[in-house]
Amino acid sequence: GESVGLHLPTLSVQEGDNSIINCAYSNSASDYFIWYKQESGKGPQFIIDIRSNMDKRQGQRVTVLLNKTVKHLSLQIAATQPGDSAVYFCAENKDSGYALNFGKGTSLLVTP
Amino acid sequence: DGGITQSPKYLFRKEGQNVTLSCEQNLNHDAMYWYRQDPGQGLRLIYYSQIVNDFQKGDIAEGYSVSREKKESFPLTVTSAQKNPTAFYLCASSPPRETLLAKNIQYFGAGTRLSVL
Repeated sequence: GESVGLHLPTLSVQEGDNSIINCAYSNSASDYFIWYKQESGKGPQFIIDIRSNMDKRQGQRVTVLLNKTVKHLSLQIAATQPGDSAVYFCAENKDSGYALNFGKGTSLLVTP
Repeated sequence: DGGITQSPKYLFRKEGQNVTLSCEQNLNHDAMYWYRQDPGQGLRLIYYSQIVNDFQKGDIAEGYSVSREKKESFPLTVTSAQKNPTAFYLCASSPPRETLLAKNIQYFGAGTRLSVL
């Protein structure tokens, strides 16, 4: 089975609100995590990453939090905009290898 | 204009036919990857290649084949042995890693949607 999973398949938020997308992983050897955004009919785009020796990393309007104790990862999007509507995937890199293991994704819908 | 180019955007396969999906990158990346995405699903790794003339099977390699004769190119052939080929196929590449602890950010092409006639 998959070792990377998302708690909710869909998330609907109002424009201007903050969004939180969650991800759980089961392999304690995972040392690097990436969040991707995929718009309909397009390839995934890199958003932000975090290494396992960090708890938090911030980008432009996005923050990733990592809780290694409970093997949980979250992506927070501040002041969500209509352009943020997409499917968001977390991916883990196990044992510093080359392959990334992707979760099934959360669909974020931003309503006006 | 640097990036990863996948072609064609749409492809149709007849029963018993082999088809080849193209992936070209001009980012000077060493590693390249092929993923399959089914509706409402995440990405599953088919094959990846760390260097020219070398590649490894991913989680769902059966029914697929690849080659890596050039650094820039990593074509994927969907063979007739793949009984359920309808999916969205994504190619990715990642820059050279000086150490195994270096970041492994993969950059994706726009995808090829394969359907069966």
